[in-house]
Amino acid sequence: GENVEQHPSTLSVQEGDSAVIKCTYSDSASNYFPWYKQELGKRPQLIIDIRSNVGEKKDQRIAVTLNKTAKHFSLHITETQPEDSAVYFCAVPYGGSQGNLIFGKGTKLSVKP
Amino acid sequence: DAGITQSPRHKVTETGTPVTLRCHQTENHRYMYWYRQDPGHGLRLIHYSYGVKDTDKGEVSDGYSVSRSKTEDFLLTLESATSSQTSVYFCAIRRGDRRPYGYTFGSGTRLTVV
Repeated sequence: GENVEQHPSTLSVQEGDSAVIKCTYSDSASNYFPWYKQELGKRPQLIIDIRSNVGEKKDQRIAVTLNKTAKHFSLHITETQPEDSAVYFCAVPYGGSQGNLIFGKGTKLSVKP
Repeated sequence: DAGITQSPRHKVTETGTPVTLRCHQTENHRYMYWYRQDPGHGLRLIHYSYGVKDTDKGEVSDGYSVSRSKTEDFLLTLESATSSQTSVYFCAIRRGDRRPYGYTFGSGTRLTVV
């Protein structure tokens, strides 16, 4: 079955720096790659996603890049701000047409002012 | 609430008792999911539903059952609660049927089994 690994598990950056979180997956048929942000005590929320026919997608300060050959995708946050502090999860679909998501174990990002 | 609500938000129960958590959606989505979230494990799928009375197991389904008698409601039952089932439970809906889509999560239920 599908396996997804997320690194690093914790990340601390200074405000204004960039942050990069990487996920690797095992099923070359995976075709959808979302990222979720979960603030303390809140629900996970979808912040950006990409499909396999695109190599990169940007939305203001966040971007996702996909390397299908190497089977990994990354979340990039530029000009980090304290409100970016949260746990970030990647996910990939499995289960064929059902499209159920399997999640990485999460990265706790701390942005120091 | 993004069209999805969970109840109760918090619950404390005793070992061995049955517990039912409710997920309610207002947008008529076909796919609904129950996940549990534990430190160091991320989000793990318990059960999911792809229509009324159509359900299937996820990776951590032992000790849990589900029911979906109406499109809008997806119930998760802990048949005999154990301390290992202390967790935060999230329901999610999928906004699309024919290919993978992102989920919208409910606010979660914090369950403590004592």
